[in-house]
Amino acid sequence: AQSVTQLGSHVSVSEGALVLLRCNYSSSVPPYLFWYVQYPNQGLQLLLKYTSAATLVKGINGFEAEFKKSETSFHLTKPSAHMSDAAEYFCAVSVDQAGTALIFGKGTTLSVSS
Amino acid sequence: GAGVSQSPSNKVTEKGKDVELRCDPISGHTALYWYRQSLGQGLEFLIYFQGNSAPDKSGLPSDRFSAERTGGSVSTLTIQRTQQEDSAVYLCASSLGTGTHYEQYFGPGTRLTVT
Repeated sequence: AQSVTQLGSHVSVSEGALVLLRCNYSSSVPPYLFWYVQYPNQGLQLLLKYTSAATLVKGINGFEAEFKKSETSFHLTKPSAHMSDAAEYFCAVSVDQAGTALIFGKGTTLSVSS
Repeated sequence: GAGVSQSPSNKVTEKGKDVELRCDPISGHTALYWYRQSLGQGLEFLIYFQGNSAPDKSGLPSDRFSAERTGGSVSTLTIQRTQQEDSAVYLCASSLGTGTHYEQYFGPGTRLTVT
């Protein structure tokens, strides 16, 4: 069975600092991994996804994530945080290779201070 | 174009009442998904439709929950005899098809409060 663990329910950074949001997965088959962002009172928006094409995945808004099979990790990073990055971030793994449903982590709230 | 829309945006109901939540997917999207977001459980998958059929209902938390989709478009999630633990935000998503290369587009959700 697939599962996702997000380390740290809340991360605080200063504007301009590195953003690192951690995600570890468990999967009995090669995983498909996703990062979504949720701004207050809005739906989820896809940031990026890993589907085995390349281990370093670039997404929107300057975010990227690296798939590390040996560490079963898919951490999300951004070199320089912006105030507008403050939101909740969810890591997810697909239930099966058909991608019919997503198993989400519990989310990490990112706060950015000036 | 229009995104996924859900109605109502907020619903307050008394324990024991039935509620219906509606999802309008993006036009042309054949796949539709329901998720539940609650404080204690995070984001949980409930059910998905490919066209009008729901191959996987295993995520529905109890037999009080049901969902249907008609005409390959609008979907309704029904909760009978609501309980306080049903309080959550119910999210709907749609995609052009099933498969990881199809992005799921999420609606803003319906916030359900059971008093």
